[in-house]
Amino acid sequence: NAGVTQTPKFQVLKTGQSMTLQCAQDMNHNSMYWYRQDPGMGLRLIYYSASEGTTDKGEVPNGYNVSRLNKREFSLRLESAAPSQTSVYFCASRGLGGRRNEQFFGPGTRLTVL
Amino acid sequence: SQQGEEDPQALSIQEGENATMNCSYKTSINNLQWYRQNSGRGLVHLILIRSNEREKHSGRLRVTLDTSKKSSSLLITASRAADTASYFCATGAYKYIFGTGTRLKVLA
Repeated sequence: NAGVTQTPKFQVLKTGQSMTLQCAQDMNHNSMYWYRQDPGMGLRLIYYSASEGTTDKGEVPNGYNVSRLNKREFSLRLESAAPSQTSVYFCASRGLGGRRNEQFFGPGTRLTVL
Repeated sequence: SQQGEEDPQALSIQEGENATMNCSYKTSINNLQWYRQNSGRGLVHLILIRSNEREKHSGRLRVTLDTSKKSSSLLITASRAADTASYFCATGAYKYIFGTGTRLKVLA
């Protein structure tokens, strides 16, 4: 199992450009999440998807959109990037059964907006 | 806003010593989790303690929970250089809220 994978690993954008961060998991998990992590900070929830076909806002959704393409994939889109969106973005999925309270994280995408 | 606040923000110890970090939270919880993040990597789940538990052990990890004080502590015994990482507490049954983290450095 690859677990949770994210692409790209690094990205530099100019203000106003758009891009989509991709996330996929191969663990048959139902719930998936997008977080951002700023220097010296914990993770803040941007959006989450409880199951295929549903998405909900988290703590900091402004400036982002998401798509739960299927059970495996959950993408995050920045329509018009701003310097304040410079951050490391993590995708995660929630475990099942006895591990349903655990989150499994991808390696992150480092985004810089100039 | 952050639900969990870790203390201290940074901790530096010698290999073999014990490391203790604390987490405070604001609202009632069903469980509290601890995660580790190595530099530049995603978070890895370490241990979960339920609201009706007071103490839990896993290998060199010991977690305590005091729901009356809305606080938890993570103890790493006999620390190793490989334990160097940031440690975060997280609360929530579905939407998770992470604390600000403790950066632990274990010196060889």
